[in-house]
Amino acid sequence: SYELTQPLSVSVALGQTARITCGGDNIGGKNVHWYQQKPGQAPVLVIYRDTNRPSGIPERISGSNSGNTATLTITRAQAGDEADYSCQVWDTSTESVLFGGGTKLTVL
Amino acid sequence: EVQLVESGGNLVQPGGSLRLSCAASGFTFSNYWMNWVRQAPGKGLEWVANIKQDVSDKTYVDSVRGRFIISRDNADNSLYLQMDSLRVEDTAVYYCARGTTNLDYWGRGTLVTVSS
Repeated sequence: SYELTQPLSVSVALGQTARITCGGDNIGGKNVHWYQQKPGQAPVLVIYRDTNRPSGIPERISGSNSGNTATLTITRAQAGDEADYSCQVWDTSTESVLFGGGTKLTVL
Repeated sequence: EVQLVESGGNLVQPGGSLRLSCAASGFTFSNYWMNWVRQAPGKGLEWVANIKQDVSDKTYVDSVRGRFIISRDNADNSLYLQMDSLRVEDTAVYYCARGTTNLDYWGRGTLVTVSS
């Protein structure tokens, strides 16, 4: 079955750029979606279909996807960006939603 | 405004049953696939099940197939999850979420605790 691999944690200095990766076999051939989840809150979709931002999501948050890695990039990181970030794809082999394990972003 | 409100979570003994509900508003419920996603304490998100707009298609994660049943009532704008033969490892916050290949709106979740 298909698997998505994310680092457990990523740290970034305030105002710098954070990159969170999501690895999968030829993930570049799939649509990748990203969710932000703050403690005690429900997940929020921040990127859909690799690069698209829903309304209300700041331009500082962007996505890319190529080869075996999809990347969520957060520029000018703020304290409010501290959260868990999860990637997600549609697994065509099982016709189901598949999440990565999630990455905890810490802003130092 | 799109709203999804889950209810029905509770403490239940292993082997017991529980029925979760999700009340939807602010959009045409019958036009969308709907999902249940869960999150065990301190763990990541795990998709549980989804159901097509017209109920003709339902899919489950392997760990719940045969024990959980997803259903919906389009007239009442409601989504349900009947959970039987509950196990300790089913303990989680259960979220209702809208969408097919990506999930664009989520509820706040309801906590299910399976413990003796």
